[in-house]
Amino acid sequence: EAGVAQSPRYKIIEKRQSVAFWCNPISGHATLYWYQQILGQGPKLLIQFQNNGVVDDSQLPKDRFSAERLKGVDSTLKIQPAKLEDSAVYLCASSPLSSGRARETQYFGPGTRLLVL
Amino acid sequence: GENVEQHPSTLSVQEGDSAVIKCTYSDSASNYFPWYKQELGKRPQLIIDIRSNVGEKKDQRIAVTLNKTAKHFSLHITETQPEDSAVYFCAASSGPYGNKLVFGAGTILRVKS
Repeated sequence: EAGVAQSPRYKIIEKRQSVAFWCNPISGHATLYWYQQILGQGPKLLIQFQNNGVVDDSQLPKDRFSAERLKGVDSTLKIQPAKLEDSAVYLCASSPLSSGRARETQYFGPGTRLLVL
Repeated sequence: GENVEQHPSTLSVQEGDSAVIKCTYSDSASNYFPWYKQELGKRPQLIIDIRSNVGEKKDQRIAVTLNKTAKHFSLHITETQPEDSAVYFCAASSGPYGNKLVFGAGTILRVKS
């Protein structure tokens, strides 16, 4: 089966600019996650969708980050305006269980590496 | 909220030796504990997971043990090979519905040949 797709793979922007990332989960997966992975750290959950509804966005910096999952399939994550500390890899993951419980395997995409100058 | 600590941060072993990575967690409600392997510049990939109703699980050269009383779990890799070199992350389920994962900081494993 095809894996989780993300684009772009790399992005370099200047601080205060805007940027958007796109994720296409594995077909049929109801749950989609966005993680931020800062160099040398483990992934940190930003937001979790179940179908097109938000399950958990407690760690999303809502003053600058936003995410949506229209039609319960693809998702976009936006940063506006970007700060230097947003430099990280943004990982998208999906899992098949519609209840959203973390017990099911999360499949990760290749990530988008963001550098904010 | 859940906090996951992982040790050591780096681990070097000789090819053929065993490697052990340990994690502790804080939320006694956590009941799912996956381990991910991430090679340089690549996506994290699940290598093994364990649920709270099991104390040990093994898959070929990889095993995971869980001590719920002490709130720690460990990854054991036997007969290490150079291709085992990567960053390994542990994680624990968290949240009111157990619907999110909290990751450790990672362990860089180097297998010297």
